[in-house]
Amino acid sequence: ILNVEQSPQSLHVQEGDSTNFTCSFPSSNFYALHWYRWETAKSPEALFVMTLNGDEKKKGRISATLNTKEGYSYLYIKGSQPEDSATYLCASRPQGGSEKLVFGKGTKLTVNP
Amino acid sequence: DAGITQSPRHKVTETGTPVTLRCHQTENHRYMYWYRQDPGHGLRLIHYSYGVKDTDKGEVSDGYSVSRSKTEDFLLTLESATSSQTSVYFCAISESSLGQTQYFGPGTRLLVL
Repeated sequence: ILNVEQSPQSLHVQEGDSTNFTCSFPSSNFYALHWYRWETAKSPEALFVMTLNGDEKKKGRISATLNTKEGYSYLYIKGSQPEDSATYLCASRPQGGSEKLVFGKGTKLTVNP
Repeated sequence: DAGITQSPRHKVTETGTPVTLRCHQTENHRYMYWYRQDPGHGLRLIHYSYGVKDTDKGEVSDGYSVSRSKTEDFLLTLESATSSQTSVYFCAISESSLGQTQYFGPGTRLLVL
């Protein structure tokens, strides 16, 4: 089972700060990288799916980049708001016929007003 | 929201009893997944299905079985519940496995006493 690592584990920022966190995954046998946003007491909500090296995706103030050669993805939040408080999960899908996503443990973001 | 429901949403049961959780979708998606979510572990795949009567194990399948007799329903059974199976269980669906977003149900909170 491949390891997907996320850092930091948790993060506290002030409203208006920009922030970013990292997802690391094995670069060999890579197929796709997913980002999800997970609010407390709700279910995970898809943010991005990226497959190509150099991919950049954006959704409002949230954006993500992908480096498949070195095995990492960054998630950026510009001008954090309290409603951005959530756990951000990344998941990697390898090639080779496996139909499974392997999730990292998430980065828990708290944005203080 | 993707049309995914889980039942029951909450259940308390005793050690040794059988428990069945149901995931129902109205999206006609081929792939269905069962995850469990535990503190410090993130989301871990229990079993998944790639079509009617086609299922495979995930990383934490011991003590669980699944069945999919029709496209819309994916059942997770704990044959003899143990306290270690106390968790929050999420069902997810996707149209295909090839980098496709997974959509999650609302979760079932299970307590095994």
